[in-house]
Amino acid sequence: KNQVEQSPQSLIILEGKNCTLQCNYTVSPFSNLRWYKQDTGRGPVSLTIMTFSENTKSNGRYTATLDADTKQSSLHITASQLSDSASYICVVSPDNYGQNFVFGPGTRLSVLP
Amino acid sequence: DAMVIQNPRYQVTQFGKPVTLSCSQTLNHNVMYWYQQKSSQAPKLLFHYYDKDFNNEADTPDNFQSRRPNTSFCFLDIRSPGLGDAAMYLCATSLIRPGGETQYFGPGTRLLVL
Repeated sequence: KNQVEQSPQSLIILEGKNCTLQCNYTVSPFSNLRWYKQDTGRGPVSLTIMTFSENTKSNGRYTATLDADTKQSSLHITASQLSDSASYICVVSPDNYGQNFVFGPGTRLSVLP
Repeated sequence: DAMVIQNPRYQVTQFGKPVTLSCSQTLNHNVMYWYQQKSSQAPKLLFHYYDKDFNNEADTPDNFQSRRPNTSFCFLDIRSPGLGDAAMYLCATSLIRPGGETQYFGPGTRLLVL
């Protein structure tokens, strides 16, 4: 069964600190993995997208890594800001031509001053 | 510039009163999706259109219908909303092509059922 798991479920950090969110998946075959940021009451916004051959992808203070062998990905946030408070969702697409996206449950990040 | 637009952003309806949510896109993407997202949960796919081909998820209630009159527009009709249908409804688009595709989400419509 295609599944995406994320940990932790929620996380609280202080402004300026770094944090790492985890994503494990059992989706097969694998096409790409993306991280979304979803602010409360808004639609998800894409942060990074990685294909099988990519190990890391950065978008400003966000850096995603992918280990396709162990089927794990992480999202590292550097020097967190209050505006980083949001849910971060890991989504895996199983095939190039597919219309299927497997969503993780998300990690709720709260950045406190 | 807005690429996936959803209207209205907030919708209040009465129990059992039909409601229609709309989505439009300026990306000319061939696939449009409707998701339901309840509080603290991941989005759940209701159905999607690949061009004019409608694809319903097996567990989507019959109460939910969709229309796609052209490439740019897609509608979600809830025939008889129940209290359990209160949620955020997200529209998304993607362009199917070799090498994978990116999915773009609209801002969502939050539905309240009284």
